Amino acid sequence: RKEVEQDPGPFNVPEGATVAFNCTYSNSASQSFFWYRQDCRKEPKLLMSVYSSGNEDGRFTAQLNRASQYISLLIRDSKLSDSATYLCVVKYSSASKIIFGSGTRLSIRP
Amino acid sequence: GAVVSQHPSRVICKSGTSVKIECRSLDFQATTMFWYRQFPKQSLMLMATSNEGSKATYEQGVEKDKFLINHASLTLSTLTVTSAHPEDSSFYICSARSGGATNEKLFFGSGTQLSVL
Repeated sequence: RKEVEQDPGPFNVPEGATVAFNCTYSNSASQSFFWYRQDCRKEPKLLMSVYSSGNEDGRFTAQLNRASQYISLLIRDSKLSDSATYLCVVKYSSASKIIFGSGTRLSIRP
Repeated sequence: GAVVSQHPSRVICKSGTSVKIECRSLDFQATTMFWYRQFPKQSLMLMATSNEGSKATYEQGVEKDKFLINHASLTLSTLTVTSAHPEDSSFYICSARSGGATNEKLFFGSGTQLSVL
């Protein structure tokens, strides 16, 4: 089993729709969680950190469920510019190691 | 915000040559940098963790003699792909940590597309 797993997609949704994806992690010692966005052949860029209480940034909402060991990302009122690959990132406190999920591809159609 | 500069952005080289990729943190000091490789339609795979002033820590399956990492200063880490072969063709990205234990963030270089002929 992979340490961090994501549904690869692609998720193909119309503009304006709400879309959500999950990411599961296997190591309960995981300390920090992030969502990154990567456009084709570009470097990943931090979208948002994920806090235990859940957090929102504009149209984006991230949640953490430690009991079930998953994090989620919700995008409301999706825009064409949201089309990208979304990477789930988990940091393990014990080894100070950062692991990337394989990414979920999102495509927003007009 | 923090900026990480990576050069070159693209390299095309002949099989058997060595290629050096530089990663610099421009406005912060990074005691730890990371090197990743990404094949088409796949995720970032951590190759090694580069520690300033000490040897890099390589992930399982990554040849340390082939992928030489040097982190001689707090703002510069280099990855040298020695005797490159076509199977080494990939997108290489570095990243650097910024912040402390409670507000740590990871910033990425813009990546280097390596094509070995």
